[in-house]
Amino acid sequence: NAGVTQTPKFRVLKTGQSMTLLCAQDMNHEYMYWYRQDPGMGLRLIHYSVGEGTTAKGEVPDGYNVSRLKKQNFLLGLESAAPSQTSVYFCASIRTLEGNQPQHFGDGTRLSIL
Amino acid sequence: SQQGEEDPQALSIQEGENATMNCSYKTSINNLQWYRQNSGRGLVHLILIRSNEREKHSGRLRVTLDTSKKSSSLLITASRAADTASYFCATGGSNYKLTFGKGTLLTVNP
Repeated sequence: NAGVTQTPKFRVLKTGQSMTLLCAQDMNHEYMYWYRQDPGMGLRLIHYSVGEGTTAKGEVPDGYNVSRLKKQNFLLGLESAAPSQTSVYFCASIRTLEGNQPQHFGDGTRLSIL
Repeated sequence: SQQGEEDPQALSIQEGENATMNCSYKTSINNLQWYRQNSGRGLVHLILIRSNEREKHSGRLRVTLDTSKKSSSLLITASRAADTASYFCATGGSNYKLTFGKGTLLTVNP
């Protein structure tokens, strides 16, 4: 049982390049989330999904797209990377059959945009 | 916008001492959660307190919640060097979304 796995762990991009971050969970969780964490800041929600085939915007969605084609995977895409998107990206999932459950986090993807 | 705000931003104590961190928030909540983040790692859930609860314990952790003051505190008793980490409070809202504070960096000196 791996929990929440994020790939890649590190990546350096040039401005304007595109890439996709992958989040995979093996806990059969319904809801999944993408956050970004900047120095000295807490996590801010980018996008989230309440189930396979659904996505919704969070607090800071601009410049990102997401897809949830399979229940276990949640992809975060940067179509044209900008230096302001340099950050650490975290994925999380939650079991929602019972209320008031914690989110389970991956170890993050460290992304630098030059 | 960040819902929770932790206080202090940084705390340095000696091993064996107690550490107290506070969190204030602005709007109504379903629950309040505390997470720990070790350097370079993801967040690990510590404890969740529901909006109708006032106090909760888990091992060396004690969390209080005062919804009238929109505040919570996390107490770590008998701290250890391994407790050195950043601690975040997060308020739970609709669609199980969490809104995080900026965190408290706790350093426990051996």
